[in-house]
Amino acid sequence: DAKTTQPNSMESNEEEPVHLPCNHSTISGTDYIHWYRQLPSQGPEYVIHGLTSNVNNRMASLAIAEDRKSSTLILHRATLRDAAVYYCILRPLEPEHLSSGSARQLTFGSGTQLTVLP
Amino acid sequence: DTEVTQTPKHLVMGMTNKKSLKCEQHMGHRAMYWYKQKAKKPPELMFVYSYEKLSINESVPSRFSPECPNSSLLNLHLHALQPEDSALYLCASSSQTEMNTEAFFGQGTRLTVV
Repeated sequence: DAKTTQPNSMESNEEEPVHLPCNHSTISGTDYIHWYRQLPSQGPEYVIHGLTSNVNNRMASLAIAEDRKSSTLILHRATLRDAAVYYCILRPLEPEHLSSGSARQLTFGSGTQLTVLP
Repeated sequence: DTEVTQTPKHLVMGMTNKKSLKCEQHMGHRAMYWYKQKAKKPPELMFVYSYEKLSINESVPSRFSPECPNSSLLNLHLHALQPEDSALYLCASSSQTEMNTEAFFGQGTRLTVV
């Protein structure tokens, strides 16, 4: 599986934007870039994913480099509730996954612990 | 309903006990996953089921025995565990028929082996 590299920890001030980087230099053409976060004492929750183009949803934005070797998760206005571990994950999708019914893996890297300061 | 429900939330068991963890989802997802998470570490993949068949076993010891009795349920049977098996056990599910969608996670079962 292609690996991702993230900083161990980052800090942000409340109500300011946060840019969480992820390097994935060995990404393949069929790898989707997924971001999940895990709040304290909870299971991981999906944040956003993309393939090549930048993506926006109600939680965040995902900026993907043109060569796809890195991406950045953007929280536009951090709140105290955004304090969590953020995981950048590459999730492969081969056409045979759909036709054969084989399961796609979701393998977590070490993630970035985001601290939001009031 | 976009929930993955895990029961029990907490479990304390002795090393000679047999217990089971249960996971349920009603989203029609045909891929289901078990993860183990130790404190301050990322979740580690244990097992993956696809269409109720075991698809991936990440070299998990046989004292952990998964079972997928139907498309909505996933169990993890525990027997003769060791104290180092104490961890948060997470279940997840995702679609197998749609292009690269997200996985949904339960809140986990906090297991303590004494």
